[in-house]
Amino acid sequence: DTGVSQDPRHKITKRGQNVTFRCDPISEHNRLYWYRQTLGQGPEFLTYFQNEAQLEKSRLLSDRFSAERPKGSFSTLEIQRTEQGDSAMYLCASSLGSGTDTQYFGPGTRLTVL
Amino acid sequence: AQTVTQSQPEMSVQEAETVTLSCTYDTSESDYYLFWYKQPPSRQMILVIRQEAYKQQNATENRFSVNFQKAAKSFSLKISDSQLGDAAMYFCAYRRRPGSQGNLIFGKGTKLSVKP
Repeated sequence: DTGVSQDPRHKITKRGQNVTFRCDPISEHNRLYWYRQTLGQGPEFLTYFQNEAQLEKSRLLSDRFSAERPKGSFSTLEIQRTEQGDSAMYLCASSLGSGTDTQYFGPGTRLTVL
Repeated sequence: AQTVTQSQPEMSVQEAETVTLSCTYDTSESDYYLFWYKQPPSRQMILVIRQEAYKQQNATENRFSVNFQKAAKSFSLKISDSQLGDAAMYFCAYRRRPGSQGNLIFGKGTKLSVKP
């Protein structure tokens, strides 16, 4: 399967701990996006990469959040000093970066902060 | 700022019947893209259909079609011959034209139930 993959699928952590999520985009896609989805809401944009460059960050992305995409391939999203309000589904999407530039989503990582 | 509104939190349809999900959006731009995504329970979001704003013809994909009214800023999704597998959350999404910030702006979603 050559779709977008995310790891882990589920993460339970205690408040104050750091967590890191990984996203592997579709191989030829040069754009990668992170979204956060809370219960009963649509996904909200966090940040996006064009190859290895992080071009846009939402104000939702506090200083405790950091994202990287070394070498323009996979990406990681780290949350430091987690809070209960960080509990959500974290979705990754990738796109080709041309044409209609449709975004294809991964299965998400569900984070629960106790 | 662009916004997307889905005014129907939940909808229900009988199997084999037709249902229409509503979506309105607000933008000052003339060139953009609109999408409907489907998110089945505990499964990943998949693209259902997309519409380019500069195209007057409504997009269709098999049993799925849209009614795109650019002046009214309306983008509804019609599902014909509904199947049990159509049960899911449906999200309407907006994106500015390529070359600019490419993130999707989503509505809150409509939960579609399909009755056998």
